[in-house]
Order: sequence, then C-alpha cells, then structure tokens
Amino acid sequence: DAMVIQNPRYQVTQFGKPVTLSCSQTLNHNVMYWYQQKSSQAPKLLFHYYDKDFNNEADTPDNFQSRRPNTSFCFLDIRSPGLGDAAMYLCATGMGEGLGANVLTFGAGSRLTVL
Amino acid sequence: QKEVEQDPGPLSVPEGAIVSLNCTYSNSAFQYFMWYRQYSRKGPELLMYTYSSGNKEDGRFTAQVDKSSKYISLFIRDSQPSDSATYLCAMSGGSRQAGTALIFGKGTTLSVSS
Repeated sequence: DAMVIQNPRYQVTQFGKPVTLSCSQTLNHNVMYWYQQKSSQAPKLLFHYYDKDFNNEADTPDNFQSRRPNTSFCFLDIRSPGLGDAAMYLCATGMGEGLGANVLTFGAGSRLTVL
Repeated sequence: QKEVEQDPGPLSVPEGAIVSLNCTYSNSAFQYFMWYRQYSRKGPELLMYTYSSGNKEDGRFTAQVDKSSKYISLFIRDSQPSDSATYLCAMSGGSRQAGTALIFGKGTTLSVSS
C-alpha cells in the first residue's frame, strides 16, 4: 500500500543534542510537509517542500531545518532541542495542484521527548 | 480571535448516539473544509473533504458547511466504540496550489462507550 512512513516513532534526546527525524513516501507526491503537534493543540506547519523548493513558515524557529534529497525522502533536523520542542512531529504529503492540493496524507508521527 | 475555533471536549456518548462536532472560523477566504480523525499516538487521517458550502455524506458521516455563518459540522450516526478518537477540522483558502497552509482546529476528543 502506498503510504507515508516516519522513523523513528519515538525519539528521546537530551537537551541540546541534535536530532534527525525521517519521512519517506511511496505516493509520489510533489509536496512534503512537516507539522509540529503539541499535546491537545492543533498541528502547526513548520515548512514544506514543493519538489525541491523549500518554503519556511515565518514563525518557524531557526533551530528547525529540513532536507529533501529526493522525491521520496524528507528529513527534519532539530539542531539544539529544548524542552519546548517536545512534541509529535507529523510528516504529510500532498499533490502539487488541483483539488487534491488541499488533501494531505499523514504519517503516524514521531514523538520527541527532550530530557 | 483564533482563525479556527474548536471545542476540545472531551465528548462522551453511548454507543448508537448521534454525535455532532463543530468548528467556527473567522477567515471568509476559506473554501476547502476537511475533517481528519486522529487515533491516539497516530497521525491524522482524512475523513471528509468539502469544497465551499453544502452537505456531503459518506456512510455514517455527514459534513456540513455554512459559509454565511462561518460554521462547519461533522455528524456521526450510530456511533461505535471504534469512532473514539480526536477529530480535527481543517480548512484552507481558495488557492489550488500546494503550500496554502491548512489551518487546523485543536481537535475534539470523542469517547464512545459500549
């Protein structure tokens, strides 16, 4: 089945120790998104890639970076995690245009704990 | 005022009940309206997708959009314990291009008891 896979599902890190979360997709979608979801809060868009074009949300901290080496993979790097970065990180994919542009397929998420 | 308001609940109902979940919004530019279901410790999955105003039905689920009131609803008929999850409304503006950010509500947590 075509899907969005995130690894690891659970990540524990120490304060300030860099973390990389990965996302892969078999849907061949043009667009890949990273959302941050804290407990009982709405998912918040951090950035997205439209093919190789990177689009950062204005309020995404510099601590968060992303890489998309090819269509199938996208990475979220947190350079110096703070306690406030503990959250579920959701990867999503979508089509580039048309009505489907608004329909996202999400992965299961990576839950980050910062000690 | 937040762009999208959604009562977080929790909402507890007995099996078989009709459930009504709602969101209000302030941005009149929103034209695409979605409901996502999120089980505990899982990613959201698309449940319903509506463009502009009107109703859409899919099995036990009905989505309604009232743009004049800036109000959207999701109805679940004959609710089942397997419907226990968090339901997130999401919406976006008129662009058919990707990257138009989806604005999510905080989600309503539903519990259906057998």
